[in-house]
Order: sequence, then C-alpha cells, then structure tokens
Amino acid sequence: EPEVTQTPSHQVTQMGQEVILRCVPISNHLYFYWYRQILGQKVEFLVSFYNNEISEKSEIFDDQFSVERPDGSNFTLKIRSTKLEDSAMYFCASIFGGLNEKLFFGSGTQLSVL
Amino acid sequence: DQQVKQNSPSLSVQEGRISILNCDYTNSMFDYFLWYKKYPAEGPTFLISISSIKDKNEDGRFTVFLNKSAKHLSLHIVPSQPGDSAVYFCAATNSGNTPLVFGKGTRLSVIA
Repeated sequence: EPEVTQTPSHQVTQMGQEVILRCVPISNHLYFYWYRQILGQKVEFLVSFYNNEISEKSEIFDDQFSVERPDGSNFTLKIRSTKLEDSAMYFCASIFGGLNEKLFFGSGTQLSVL
Repeated sequence: DQQVKQNSPSLSVQEGRISILNCDYTNSMFDYFLWYKKYPAEGPTFLISISSIKDKNEDGRFTVFLNKSAKHLSLHIVPSQPGDSAVYFCAATNSGNTPLVFGKGTRLSVIA
C-alpha cells in the first residue's frame, strides 16, 4: 500500500538553528499538508500546499516557517530559527483531491529543540 | 480555542466489551466529522467519518453517532479487541474544504 514517508524520524537541534523536515507524499497525490502535535496537545494544522503554492496556513505558520516542493517527489518544511516551543511531532499528510476526508499521514518527525 | 474537545484523555475497557469515545465541538459550521486512530510511532490513520446529514454511520465493529443539537459525537467499538488499543482522534471540517481540526485524542486500552 502506498504511504507517506517522513525523514528523519527524530531530529534534535539547538535553539536558533535551522531545520528541514522532509516528506515524500504518495506519488499521485496533489494536496500536501503539515500538521504538528505538541506533547499532550491536539494535532494542529500548519499549512496546506497545492499546485506549488500555499493554499492555506494557520497562525502558527509564521515567517519562521516555509514549505517547498523542490522536485516532483519531496515536500519539505523548514523552520528558519528554531525555538524551544517548536518541539513537537510534525506530521506530513497528502491526499489526491482537495477534501480532507482521508488524509494519509506519515509517521511523523519528532523535533526536539534544546 | 478548542473547537474540538475530547475530554477523556484515556479509557480502559475489557476485551469483548463496548468502547465509547466521546467528542464535542463548538463550531456550528462543521459539517463533516472523522475519527482517526494512531498507534505509537505511526501517523494517524482514517477510521470512519460521518456527514452532518446523518446521525449514524456504521462500518463493521465501528459506529459513529452524531448529535447535532448537542454538538456531540461518539465512536462505539464493539466488541473491543486488544488490537484496538491506540490513541483515537476526533476531527472536524467544514465541507472538507477547510483543514481538519483535531481534538487532543483519547488513549484507549483494551485489556485482555
């Protein structure tokens, strides 16, 4: 069964450093998403991406965040200058059509900012 | 602001019994509701959904009930199996065109 792949599974970084989280969505999917879950909190929407541009973003997704689809397969989330509160599990998701119904999630990247 | 609330962080049920997971929402614009299941070290996986035009949707051992007037939905699992032990997330959207809004999740433990 096709799946969304995320790398790395764990990332530890120092506060102020840049990190790039990588995702390979399912190959024929057109809509891509990043969500995150801070420990003990809800899963929060960060950004959606379609047709090589951001279609929607949340308040969390400020200027420190950016997304890119550098080639036909990868979808990346960059955090320019990490803060302690960025520590969370980051999930990438994709879907063929625009509806959220059956988002396919990756297994996540656990980001720890020290 | 918690638009989707799962007030029980955990639930423990004996194998073979019914598991009932509850979810409340505050946004009356939500018209599509979903349950996702998450095992450790895996991403959430879609389980079952319900549109606001229905009050019940059933898929095998899983049934979701929607009470629009109370802004409440519940997931029933019967009979519960040890493999159902996972974190269950309730999520909601407006016609599927807005990003899913998730609750905090409920950790279900099914005891053999």
